[in-house]
Order: sequence, then C-alpha cells, then structure tokens
Amino acid sequence: AQSVTQLGSHVSVSEGALVLLRCNYSSSVPPYLFWYVQYPNQGLQLLLKYTTGATLVKGINGFEAEFKKSETSFHLTKPSAHMSDAAEYFCAVSEGYQKVTFGIGTKLQVIP
Amino acid sequence: EAQVTQNPRYLITVTGKKLTVTCSQNMNHEYMSWYRQDPGLGLRQIYYSMNVEVTDKGDVPEGYKVSRKEKRNFPLILESPSPNQTSLYFCASSSPASGDTDTQYFGPGTRLTVL
Repeated sequence: AQSVTQLGSHVSVSEGALVLLRCNYSSSVPPYLFWYVQYPNQGLQLLLKYTTGATLVKGINGFEAEFKKSETSFHLTKPSAHMSDAAEYFCAVSEGYQKVTFGIGTKLQVIP
Repeated sequence: EAQVTQNPRYLITVTGKKLTVTCSQNMNHEYMSWYRQDPGLGLRQIYYSMNVEVTDKGDVPEGYKVSRKEKRNFPLILESPSPNQTSLYFCASSSPASGDTDTQYFGPGTRLTVL
C-alpha cells in the first residue's frame, strides 16, 4: 500500500526566503511522485512530477523537487518566496493504474 | 481549451434528497476520478474509471455511485445524501495513452453542503 506524509500542515516564510515543503512516501514499487498547488477557490494544478530519470525535477513558478530513494522523500523547494506563492500544496504518490494517494496538504503563508 | 468542467459549483441540499454532480472533460482522456477534499484529510479518492463502462471503488466509496456511459462524462450520484458528505468535490481526468501516466487534470470543484 502506498502512503504520503507531509510534515507541517502550515508553513510560514518571509518574502524572499527559501521555501521548503516536506514530503515522505511509502510505496512497494518504484513510484510516480507529484506536487500539486491549489490556489484559493480553485482546483489543483500540477506543479511538477517525477516518473523516471533525473531525480531533480523542475516545475513551474521556480519550484523544484528532488527524489531521494534512500530517504523516501520528495521535498519541494524554491529559493526565494514570492507573495503569489501563498497557496496549499499537495504531495501525491502513484503506483500507476490511476491509484493516486494524496497527502493532507501544506498551507504556505508568505509574510511581506 | 482543454478542461474539466463540473456542475454545479455550489450546492446546498437536505438529507436524503438525491443529487447528481456532473463532470465532463474535452481531452479524450480514458481515466476519470472523483475525489473529496476535507480539512486535515487532504484528497481522498471516491471512485475511478479506466474507460467507458469500467469503474472501481477508491478509498471512500460508501454513499456514492458513479457511471461512465460516455468517455467524456463521469457523473457522481448521491442517492441519499447525509451531513457527513458535506465536502469539496473534485473531478479529475488523466490519460496513460499520452504517456503522462497518472497526472491528474482537475475540475474547479463542487462545494456541497448537506443539511
């Protein structure tokens, strides 16, 4: 069975500071890993994903994530936070066949 | 424009009154899913469909029904809604045929309140 743990349901950073959102997963097979972002009153949109190949994945809006198999982690980072990054972020894992498991989400607050 | 649409966007109803939330996608995706989002619980999959006439239970299927008679549509049916089904619902689609395995394309959400 697959599962996702997101540490910290709320994270606050100052504008211009590093953003680090943590995600750990468990999976019995090599996983597909995703980060989605949800802005207020909107649906989720894909930020980035890892399927195979390069373990450092770059996404939209300057975000990136690194797949670390030994640590079963897929943490999301951005060097410099912007006010427009305030949103809720969801990590997700899949073993294929449409069975996608989401984490509980992390709300990112950016302080001016 | 490629999109997933849901209707209605907001719905307030009473216990026991049957309702249907529609979902339609124009991307010719084979896979479609329904999720519910609740605070502190993230998104949980209710039902999914791999193609027309092929559906299966997700993690929280109790109290819900679905059908997939056409590739583009995947309605969610609540035969007898109860207050614990008050939630934010999302429809999503994906297409393994495109090589974009399991990347979900989400609709805008339906906020349901059951009194």
